[in-house]
Amino acid sequence: AQKVTQAQTEISVVEKEDVTLDCVYETRDTTYYLFWYKQPPSGELVFLIRRNSFDEQNEISGRYSWNFQKSTSSFNFTITASQVVDSAVYFCALSRSGNTGKLIFGQGTTLQVKP
Amino acid sequence: DAGVIQSPRHEVTEMGQEVTLRCKPISGHNSLFWYRQTMMRGLELLIYFNNNVPIDDSGMPEDRFSAKMPNASFSTLKIQPSEPRDSAVYFCASSLKRGFPDEQYFGPGTRLTVT
Repeated sequence: AQKVTQAQTEISVVEKEDVTLDCVYETRDTTYYLFWYKQPPSGELVFLIRRNSFDEQNEISGRYSWNFQKSTSSFNFTITASQVVDSAVYFCALSRSGNTGKLIFGQGTTLQVKP
Repeated sequence: DAGVIQSPRHEVTEMGQEVTLRCKPISGHNSLFWYRQTMMRGLELLIYFNNNVPIDDSGMPEDRFSAKMPNASFSTLKIQPSEPRDSAVYFCASSLKRGFPDEQYFGPGTRLTVT
């Protein structure tokens, strides 16, 4: 069975702090895809990143970075120098390879960045 | 380009009434997904379509729920009869099926309240 666990329900930081959101997944597939989505207060989910299981290179995009560790089945997300606009619910998701596109979402982590 | 369009944005109805949610995917996308989000269950995939054909409806809660995609630019999710436990935010998402799970673009959601 496939499963995504985001153990941190809520995180609160002060602006400019770095923060890491944890994501642990379970799957028996050898090929799979991992995603992060952001859900700001407006409600619409916004795609942040996709990573396939064969690409363990860490990725950096501005203040955002992702650490994929197959050995620990983790795909953690770090925001450097957090800003108030980063306040949102962040979802990690897992998908099998192939043409399904079916996403299994974690429960989400609510990040509050205080000024 | 317009994103995924959903209507209505808010719907309040009484138990037993029929509810129809509508979605217009991004032009050119050939996969469409219906999700439901609640505090208790998080984000759940209800059904998804590829090229207007339902591929997986295993997430549809029960026979009261039905979804159609009569053409590439329109889909509906119908609940008949509605019950208070159907209260949730319903999201529609679309993506371009390219042989691997691709990013999904989400609509703003329909907040359904059944009293």
